[in-house]
Amino acid sequence: GEDVEQSLFLSVREGDSSVINCTYTDSSSTYLYWYKQEPGAGLQLLTYIFSNMDMKQDQRLTVLLNKKDKHLSLRIADTQTGDSAIYFCAESRRDNTDKLIFGTGTRLQVFP
Amino acid sequence: DSGVTQTPKHLITATGQRVTLRCSPRSGDLSVYWYQQSLDQGLQFLIQYYNGEERAKGNILERFSAQQFPDLHSELNLSSLELGDSALYFCASSVEGGGLGIQYFGAGTRLSVL
Repeated sequence: GEDVEQSLFLSVREGDSSVINCTYTDSSSTYLYWYKQEPGAGLQLLTYIFSNMDMKQDQRLTVLLNKKDKHLSLRIADTQTGDSAIYFCAESRRDNTDKLIFGTGTRLQVFP
Repeated sequence: DSGVTQTPKHLITATGQRVTLRCSPRSGDLSVYWYQQSLDQGLQFLIQYYNGEERAKGNILERFSAQQFPDLHSELNLSSLELGDSALYFCASSVEGGGLGIQYFGAGTRLSVL
């Protein structure tokens, strides 16, 4: 099927690390993405990883890709209250379309 | 700011009506995508245009149509609106298609059908 799965909620204390997980379905996906959506706002591209990479680091963000298990994770170091949002993972398929298949989103709540 | 502009930000209309949502892609981007975000369906791909031509169709209803103009802006037309069409509609753009273009999203148009 086309499902990209994510856990629905994650609650962390300010200053701790957050790890948001995602399981995707298509082993031929080209790019895998993380988008952030704050309340009432649009989708902000946080980071992406090409499917031939295992890891990508960008400041406080670390993306890990396990192609064998089709598992993607986003680690946010030193989580701040401003990181509270919904995080979506998405995959782009190497098929006739360029559509992104999105997960259900993980709501990250950061408490002081 | 992603560089993708969507207007209007909010639309309130009645069932049976028709509306047009507008999207201006980032400068230099040839590909435009439309997505719908609703509570029950999540984020769903609707349609993609590349350099004026339709490239891919997703879960787009027959009551909905889109086009991309020579200046590369795109419009999504929604007609015979139903309560269930209430959703956030996003436009995204990328430099190219073929699964190799990073998609940047606009802020969305929130449609409320009453």
